[in-house]
Amino acid sequence: AQKVTQAQTEISVVEKEDVTLDCVYETRDTTYYLFWYKQPPSGELVFLIRRNSFDEQNEISGRYSWNFQKSTSSFNFTITASQVVDSAVYFCALSGLSGGYNKLIFGAGTRLAVHP
Amino acid sequence: EPEVTQTPSHQVTQMGQEVILRCVPISNHLYFYWYRQILGQKVEFLVSFYNNEISEKSEIFDDQFSVERPDGSNFTLKIRSTKLEDSAMYFCASRSQGTAYEQYFGPGTRLTVT
Repeated sequence: AQKVTQAQTEISVVEKEDVTLDCVYETRDTTYYLFWYKQPPSGELVFLIRRNSFDEQNEISGRYSWNFQKSTSSFNFTITASQVVDSAVYFCALSGLSGGYNKLIFGAGTRLAVHP
Repeated sequence: EPEVTQTPSHQVTQMGQEVILRCVPISNHLYFYWYRQILGQKVEFLVSFYNNEISEKSEIFDDQFSVERPDGSNFTLKIRSTKLEDSAMYFCASRSQGTAYEQYFGPGTRLTVT
């Protein structure tokens, strides 16, 4: 069975603080993809990043960085120097290749509140 | 930039009524999905659709639900007889074939069943 756990329900930080959102996943697939999506207060789901299971290189995009560690089945997301506009719910998601149709299994989400 | 569109943005219906939620996926995409999100909860997979047929469905997707791609652009989700517990945000998503596995989501339709 596939499962994504985001243990942090809510995080509150002050602007300019760094914050890390945790994601732990379970899958029996040897090939799989991990994703982060952002859901701002307006409600849409915004794709942030995709990683495949063969690529454990960390990735940095501006203030965002992702740490993928297969050994601990984790795919954590760090926002450096947070801003009020980062306030949103962040979802980690998993997609395996079994069946070939790649449904996304989402975690419960972490609500991030960045205060001025 | 191409995007997934959904209509209506908000639908209010009475229990027992049929509703059709509409989506226009990105034009060169081949895989289509519906997800739902009950208020304050996580996003849940409902159904995937490829090559004009359902490829996978969740246990939520019972006989009350159906999907259709009536023409080359629209992708619809029908709920035959709505229940109060169907109230949720419904997201359509699409993705292309090949290595670009990210799914692009529409803005969602908020369904309120009274």
